[in-house]
Order: sequence, then structure tokens, then C-alpha cells
Amino acid sequence: SQTIHQWPATLVQPVGSPLSLECTVEGTSNPNLYWYRQAAGRGLQLLFYSVGIGQISSEVPQNLSASRPQDRQFILSSKKLLLSDSGFYLCAWGPPGGPSEQYFGPGTRLTVT
Amino acid sequence: AQSVTQPDIHITVSEGASLELRCNYSYGATPYLFWYVQSPGQGLQLLLKYFSGDTLVQGIKGFEAEFKRSQSSFNLRKPSVHWSDAAEYFCAKKTDSWGKFQFGAGTQVVVTP
Repeated sequence: SQTIHQWPATLVQPVGSPLSLECTVEGTSNPNLYWYRQAAGRGLQLLFYSVGIGQISSEVPQNLSASRPQDRQFILSSKKLLLSDSGFYLCAWGPPGGPSEQYFGPGTRLTVT
Repeated sequence: AQSVTQPDIHITVSEGASLELRCNYSYGATPYLFWYVQSPGQGLQLLLKYFSGDTLVQGIKGFEAEFKRSQSSFNLRKPSVHWSDAAEYFCAKKTDSWGKFQFGAGTQVVVTP
């Protein structure tokens, strides 16, 4: 069966510090991968998605970036965090092609102070 | 632009009573639709999905949803709610061939004794 991991689970970082959040998927190959942000009391905002190694599409211009160095690894980064980057970050994967659902990881709670 | 609307931000229901959560979508003759549930501090869990065929779909935890093309709706129902059903519920629609989703803003469900 497939599983998706995210770490860390929680993170408190000062403004201006760098960020690296990691997401890995097990039990599947060539998944589509997604990063979402969920601000307090709000819905899900798609940040990035990837359909293959090294391929990243950005949905929202911001100071975040994403990379996919391996087939089942998706990393969300920032060089300098802003207060507005605080939120709950969710990684998801979906089977490639055709109608398909997305499966979500447990999330990372990021607080920028 | 494609949209998913959940008209009810917050619903309070008594334990044992029935529950119906509304979802309306725009655009798409044969949409791929989903319902997810999120407990506080957790990721999203897929409840059910509709791709085609029977318009009444069964999901996990006793939930079902009905697709009505004429009303562009995909409402979620449960005949008798349990206290553990207290959570936030999201309706989603697949929006392109890359598997991107558009999520509704969510409905918070509170279950009273």
C-alpha cells in the first residue's frame, strides 16, 4: 500500500530564516505531487505541483520554491521566510493520468515569528 | 474559472441526526468530484469520489453523496452522525489533465450531544 510522509510535523522559525519541508511517498511510482497551504480558517491553496522528476509548476507567485530531486520526494523551500508564510502545509500525491484522487500527508504546521 | 462552492461555512447537528453538506461546482459536463474530511491538525482523508456511472456513491464512515448534473451539485449525506464526525469537510473538483484540484472553502461540522 501507498503511504505519504511529511516532516517535520511542526516548525517554528524566525522571519528571514530559510525553510525546507520534505515530503516522500512510498509504494507507488511516478506519482503526481502537490504542495498546498492552508491558512487558519481558510481553504486549501495549491502552491506547486509536479508530474515528474525535475518538473515543477508554480500556481502562486511568492517567496517559496519547490523541487523534486527524486521520483517520490518533493521539497518545499524558502530562502527567507515572511510572517505571511505561517500556515499548515500539506503534501499530496495522485496516480499519474486519468481521473484520480489525491492522497494527503499529515501536514506540517509552520509558525513564523 | 472553475469553482467549487460550499454554501455552509458552519453546521451544527445533534448526534444521531442526519447530516447533509452542500457542494456546487461550475464548468464540466462530466466532472470528477471528491469529498474529503479533515480533523483538527490532520491531513485530509478521502471520503468518496465520483467519476462516472451511478450518481449515488458510497464512501467510508457511512457517508454517501449524490451527483446531480442538472443542479451542478454533489451533496454529501450521512443518515445518523456520530460525535466522531465533528470535523471540517471539503468538496473538490479535478480541474485539468494534470490532476489539479479546486477545493471548496470547507464546512465545519459540530456535533452536539
